[in-house]
Amino acid sequence: GAGVSQSPRYKVAKRGQDVALRCDPISGHVSLFWYQQALGQGPEFLTYFQNEAQLDKSGLPSDRFFAERPEGSVSTLKIQRTQQEDSAVYLCASSRRGGSTEAFFGQGTRLTVV
Amino acid sequence: DAKTTQPPSMDCAEGRAANLPCNHSTISGNEYVYWYRQIHSQGPQYIIHGLKNNETNEMASLIITEDRKSSTLILPHATLRDTAVYYCIVRVLKNAGNNRKLIWGLGTSLAVNP
Repeated sequence: GAGVSQSPRYKVAKRGQDVALRCDPISGHVSLFWYQQALGQGPEFLTYFQNEAQLDKSGLPSDRFFAERPEGSVSTLKIQRTQQEDSAVYLCASSRRGGSTEAFFGQGTRLTVV
Repeated sequence: DAKTTQPPSMDCAEGRAANLPCNHSTISGNEYVYWYRQIHSQGPQYIIHGLKNNETNEMASLIITEDRKSSTLILPHATLRDTAVYYCIVRVLKNAGNNRKLIWGLGTSLAVNP
């Protein structure tokens, strides 16, 4: 595809439920980022992949959050035992290289935990 | 990465130039100034970046002061579609360490009025 694709666009989860959010980056992009954006706030960094290697996961808020990119393309962000404070928009971005000037973002997945 | 300060909101008349300021008084010599914008319900979009020279592309111009402690993003002829939150970010541009991630503030909410 032409851009970064995220699915689903919207997800409603009951508290305690596990969720999986998918990101299809731009083909050939080496770097992939996940960000979390609460309402009215700027995005906050969660984790970074270079190909299949997760080089930085310093932003993951707890061990309930897990991300993978097993073949260096599609990535999945998994949240276990969701809590209300996990409600946010989860943004995925990709770039040609880690030091690239431009990161391309998907439209995000809006997660609502009820 | 250095922190940035932006006004929370601005208004601009359609067809006029929109000048969005950003203060980054603690910027280091190897840190670039980036601008992204986020239209409602969409992912962020890269606009422009620069180090110390003024830059221009098809979307905007970036004016950086000589001491690099502040910059201004200029949208020369704002349209209604330019209504968005504009983020100013400073970042080291190198392919190592944790410098790949973007650290976002709250941005400036620009309203372009007819």
